[in-house]
Amino acid sequence: GEDVEQSLFLSVREGDSSVINCTYTDSSSTYLYWYKQEPGAGLQLLTYIFSNMDMKQDQRLTVLLNKKDKHLSLRIADTQTGDSAIYFCAEISPGDYKLSFGAGTTVTVRA
Amino acid sequence: NAGVMQNPRHLVRRRGQEARLRCSPMKGHSHVYWYRQLPEEGLKFMVYLQKENIIDESGMPKERFSAEFPKEGPSILRIQQVVRGDSAAYFCASSPSTDGRGEKLFFGSGTQLSVL
Repeated sequence: GEDVEQSLFLSVREGDSSVINCTYTDSSSTYLYWYKQEPGAGLQLLTYIFSNMDMKQDQRLTVLLNKKDKHLSLRIADTQTGDSAIYFCAEISPGDYKLSFGAGTTVTVRA
Repeated sequence: NAGVMQNPRHLVRRRGQEARLRCSPMKGHSHVYWYRQLPEEGLKFMVYLQKENIIDESGMPKERFSAEFPKEGPSILRIQQVVRGDSAAYFCASSPSTDGRGEKLFFGSGTQLSVL
């Protein structure tokens, strides 16, 4: 995997849904991940999706994968102030152990 | 079970000095990975180590950078004669097996290196 792109900033009102988008270039990617980084903390794995899936839902989180367009999104329903963080998209190729990360999207939740 | 511990959290060095970054993997993990995050960029793989062995250092600059993971003690990332371009956040991750896929990786909080 090589290039992973994300928009850098997202501002959302508390209670609304957040959608964070990511594009990748490696068509052989098998796993795609979303990590969350809160201030002063390490990266926390939020969720991941295998490349043969289109969608994965986990409580307030929904991951959508469009393999044709190499587009991945993370939707956070009912966004809360505790969701303010940097969100990283990452991917990995078959048999590899090196994750390729996007630059991260800073999500700011406003009251 | 403590997570991946990195220290120091912040490290300030003047140009030409040495920087030593430490990483203690999670208990029971014998595989360590170092990633670097330059400003406004994603994390980039640097090196993968197992106990006493460097498995893959393809992402590490050829000069001034070295890494080790001794039989006892933490993994060390060493940067000699630091330059301003080395200023970045350095993250360590560990896994219990050779499978470094994201769902098996646990990241530390990182060391922010600032070179004056």
